[in-house]
Amino acid sequence: DIQMTQSPASLSASLGETVSIECLASEDIYNNLAWYQQKPGKSPQLLIYYASSLQDGVPSRFSGSGSGTQYSLKINSLESEDAATYFCLQDSEYPRTFGGGTKLELK
Amino acid sequence: QVTLKESGPGMLQPSKTLSLTCSFSGFSLSTSGMVVSWIRQPSGKSLEWLAAIDWDGDKYYNPSLKSRLTVSKDTSNTQVFLKITSVDIADTATYYCARRRLGVMDAWGQGASVTVSS
Repeated sequence: DIQMTQSPASLSASLGETVSIECLASEDIYNNLAWYQQKPGKSPQLLIYYASSLQDGVPSRFSGSGSGTQYSLKINSLESEDAATYFCLQDSEYPRTFGGGTKLELK
Repeated sequence: QVTLKESGPGMLQPSKTLSLTCSFSGFSLSTSGMVVSWIRQPSGKSLEWLAAIDWDGDKYYNPSLKSRLTVSKDTSNTQVFLKITSVDIADTATYYCARRRLGVMDAWGQGASVTVSS
């Protein structure tokens, strides 16, 4: 199985700041990497797919980058609605695997 | 509009078989490239991919649970099912189904909460 190591596990930032979340795959996943946002009691919502493609309707302050085994999600100009848990998903091989999640708290 | 909705028993006893249904609309599982996956999430924890079935009827399982899982679909290609045998407390979780289209898992159901308790 491909292991996805996500960091940090938690993050505290202020409104207007920029933050980054990382995912490291145990082997090359060829940009088959998606990022999801999950709020309490809700299902995950797709933000980014194929490492850097922005899903329709997602604000442009979200961006993804990376290749090979290293990927990152960047959120610019944090807004209060960005408080959530973020997960990465490798969609390259079965079984699909998720990162452990990053809980983003707004100060 | 694409929608998926999971349904299940809510609560069941250890050693029983868990049966879940994913009912969806806005797409057909008979469309080439379409896949429906099952994912679960224990409260406060990360996500675990369980199984998937594609438009061609091919099935994929998480090896860690494969002996206990069965995924299937109905002939109208509007429902997908998941059975988990011999459940125990560790199977307590919210169970999601999700659509994968053109290589992207882009739509998820609202989730079905399942509690295993005696």
